[in-house]
Amino acid sequence: NAGVTQTPKFQVLKTGQSMTLQCAQDMNHEYMSWYRQDPGMGLRLIHYSVGAGITDQGEVPNGYNVSRSTTEDFPLRLLSAAPSQTSVYFCASLASGMNTEAFFGQGTRLTVV
Amino acid sequence: GEDVEQSLFLSVREGDSSVINCTYTDSSSTYLYWYKQEPGAGLQLLTYIFSNMDMKQDQRLTVLLNKKDKHLSLRIADTQTGDSAIYFCAETTSGTYKYIFGTGTRLKVLA
Repeated sequence: NAGVTQTPKFQVLKTGQSMTLQCAQDMNHEYMSWYRQDPGMGLRLIHYSVGAGITDQGEVPNGYNVSRSTTEDFPLRLLSAAPSQTSVYFCASLASGMNTEAFFGQGTRLTVV
Repeated sequence: GEDVEQSLFLSVREGDSSVINCTYTDSSSTYLYWYKQEPGAGLQLLTYIFSNMDMKQDQRLTVLLNKKDKHLSLRIADTQTGDSAIYFCAETTSGTYKYIFGTGTRLKVLA
């Protein structure tokens, strides 16, 4: 019963490097999203997808790209990492419907030096 | 735009009640949620309330909603050390899937 799986759990990058944070869900949820969590700022929405082939920007999209080629996977790409992207990243998925619980992955702690 | 505010810290003694407060600005909010985040983990849903309700009780948890003042609270009765965590309130509007989260309240339970 995996739910939402994020990899890696921890990552250290040098400024300017690129990388992809992986997110996979096995609940056949249509909606997936990426958040970053910073102290005192709660969770801020980076990008989201309402279904395969459809993505849109959230509150803080700059410096990040996403794609949704399948229902299950929603990777987040950092094109050229910056120290300001040091954060904990969470992927979430939701089923469609009126009231829907968000299921979260365990998070990826990213440090950019 | 939408905004959800919470106080950052709360400290209570084991066995006491905890009350975590949240204010929001979006009057079209349909569902309001409380999520719990334990150290090193993702968020898990604790409870939710529909915007046409004033109160919801679920075992030790009581949610109060004052829609006029856009104020939401979570009361935890008989708080235990296992309740130490960060608590987030969040809101969504019917027809969208975008959660707006509060800043989170770190609850520390003292033995």
